[in-house]
Amino acid sequence: KNQVEQSPQSLIILEGKNCTLQCNYTVSPFSNLRWYKQDTGRGPVSLTIMTFSENTKSNGRYTATLDADTKQSSLHITASQLSDSASYICVVKTSGTYKYIFGTGTRLKVLA
Amino acid sequence: DSGVTQTPKHLITATGQRVTLRCSPRSGDLSVYWYQQSLDQGLQFLIQYYNGEERAKGNILERFSAQQFPDLHSELNLSSLELGDSALYFCASSFRDRVDGEQFFGPGTRLTVL
Repeated sequence: KNQVEQSPQSLIILEGKNCTLQCNYTVSPFSNLRWYKQDTGRGPVSLTIMTFSENTKSNGRYTATLDADTKQSSLHITASQLSDSASYICVVKTSGTYKYIFGTGTRLKVLA
Repeated sequence: DSGVTQTPKHLITATGQRVTLRCSPRSGDLSVYWYQQSLDQGLQFLIQYYNGEERAKGNILERFSAQQFPDLHSELNLSSLELGDSALYFCASSFRDRVDGEQFFGPGTRLTVL
């Protein structure tokens, strides 16, 4: 069954600290993996998109990694800011049916 | 602001009713995607259109249907509404249907079924 699991479910960190969010998937066939940031009540905003051949991709303070062999991805946030407080959603695209499989997200709260 | 617009912002209706949600993609984008986000199930992909034609189907119920018009705006029709259809409905658009194409999400329509 195609699934995307994210951990932790929620996370609280202090401003300026780093954190890493995890995404494990069992989706097949794999097309690409995306990380989105979603503020409460708003539409998701794309952070990174990674295809099978990419191991690391950065977008400012956000760095995503992908291990296609173990089917794991991580999103590392460096020097967190209050504005990083949001839900972070991992999405795997498959070329089969149910084209986009979403994880349930990690809710991050950054405290001053 | 992503450039994707959705109307209405909020919609309150009763069970059994039918509603239409509207989405205007970013200027120049040919693909439109519909997603449902409920509290208990998170985000789910419903359907994708590319230049007026259905391109991919996800977890879309038979009571739901969508179309993309020649001017590229799209509508999602929800009929015989049930309490469980209460959710945020997002539309997203992208320029093409590339494997690694970035999608831009609209602000969503919050549907409440009473």
